[in-house]
Amino acid sequence: DIQLTQSPSFLSASVGDRVTITCRASQGVTSYLAWYQQKAGKAPKLLISAASTLQSGVPSRFSGSGSGTEFTLTISSLQPDDFATYYCQQLKSYSLTFGGGTKVEIK
Amino acid sequence: EVQLVESGGGLVQPGGSLRLSCAASGFTFSNYAMSWVRQAPGKGLEWISGFSGSGDNTFYADSVKGRFTISRDNSKNTLYLQMNNLRAEDTAMYYCATKSRYYFDCWGQGTLVTVSS
Repeated sequence: DIQLTQSPSFLSASVGDRVTITCRASQGVTSYLAWYQQKAGKAPKLLISAASTLQSGVPSRFSGSGSGTEFTLTISSLQPDDFATYYCQQLKSYSLTFGGGTKVEIK
Repeated sequence: EVQLVESGGGLVQPGGSLRLSCAASGFTFSNYAMSWVRQAPGKGLEWISGFSGSGDNTFYADSVKGRFTISRDNSKNTLYLQMNNLRAEDTAMYYCATKSRYYFDCWGQGTLVTVSS
């Protein structure tokens, strides 16, 4: 199975900060990588698919990049609504593994 | 409106069984690969089972292989997860989700399974 390692697992940031989350795959997944946002008590929400395609309705301050084994999710200017936990997921091969998550909290 | 609604969760003793259902509406269910994802309390997301896009193949995480069975009834627009020999570590919120080529785009609200004596 492909393992995904997210870093950091926790970060504390202020409104307006630029935030970058990294997701590393144990083997290449080409662009079969998605990013989700999850708030407490809610189902995950898709932010980015195919490593860099922003989903409709997702603010443009979110962006994704990478290919192969290293990927990043960037929030260009953190907003109050962005405090949540973020997960990457590979869809290259079953099992369709998730990263361990990155919790973004208010500094 | 695309919607997935899970049901069937509850409290069960270790070694017991439960069958979860995921009722789909607002899209052509038979055209979609589907998966189950769970989240233990305070933990991350774990993919546990899914159908391929063709619906011919099923897949399982090692943590549930041999104990859980995924199935679907396209005539009823419903996905199922039969869970046998449940363990305390199976305690989690269980979500169903639609799978497209590059992402899971629609998620249900989840159903809670608690395994405890």
